[in-house]
Amino acid sequence: EIVLTQSPATLSLSPGERATLSCRASQSVSSYLAWYQQKPGQAPRLLIYDASNRATGIPARFSGSGSGTDFTLTISSLEPEDFAVYYCQQPRNTFGQGTKLEIK
Amino acid sequence: QLQLQESGPGLVKPSETLSLTCTVSGGSISSSSYYWGWIRQPPGKGLEWIGSIYYSGSTYYNPSLKSRVTISVDTSKNQFSLKLSSVTAADTAVYYCARETFLEWLSQVSSWFDPWGQGTLVTVSS
Repeated sequence: EIVLTQSPATLSLSPGERATLSCRASQSVSSYLAWYQQKPGQAPRLLIYDASNRATGIPARFSGSGSGTDFTLTISSLEPEDFAVYYCQQPRNTFGQGTKLEIK
Repeated sequence: QLQLQESGPGLVKPSETLSLTCTVSGGSISSSSYYWGWIRQPPGKGLEWIGSIYYSGSTYYNPSLKSRVTISVDTSKNQFSLKLSSVTAADTAVYYCARETFLEWLSQVSSWFDPWGQGTLVTVSS
């Protein structure tokens, strides 16, 4: 089973700052990784699929990169609505444990 | 716009079977390239995939839950369902249904979940 490890567990930043979230796989998943955003009381929302493709309606400030075992989700300039929990997912459907992005 | 809605009892007794249904609207459950999945989230914890089904009835399950899970599909009602047997308190969670885009070619696999239902909380308690 492929294990996904996300870091950091919590990231404290201010609006306008750049956020960099990491997801590392225990073995290669090629370029097939997805990212989700989840706000309290809501279902997860797809942000990125296949490592770097933005889902429909996702703002351009969200970008994904990486391949093999190391992946990054970058939010170029944080908006107040971006503070949430972020999960990565690999194609055999295991999820990372999440990174909580909180307001500093 | 495709929408998914979970339904079923919010309270299940230990050792009994949890049963949920997901109703798909705004599109056909029989679309190719899509599986239909169940994912759960215990209170305050992360996401755990339970299993997925194709409209033909082909399924694949999380190995850790496989012995207790059955997912079925009813294309005439545009619904798919989850049964989880012998539940314990550890099965208390918000249960989500979602459409899974599943692409497989040569030895490569890509998949992601979108959209998701709003989720339904199922509590296991006597």
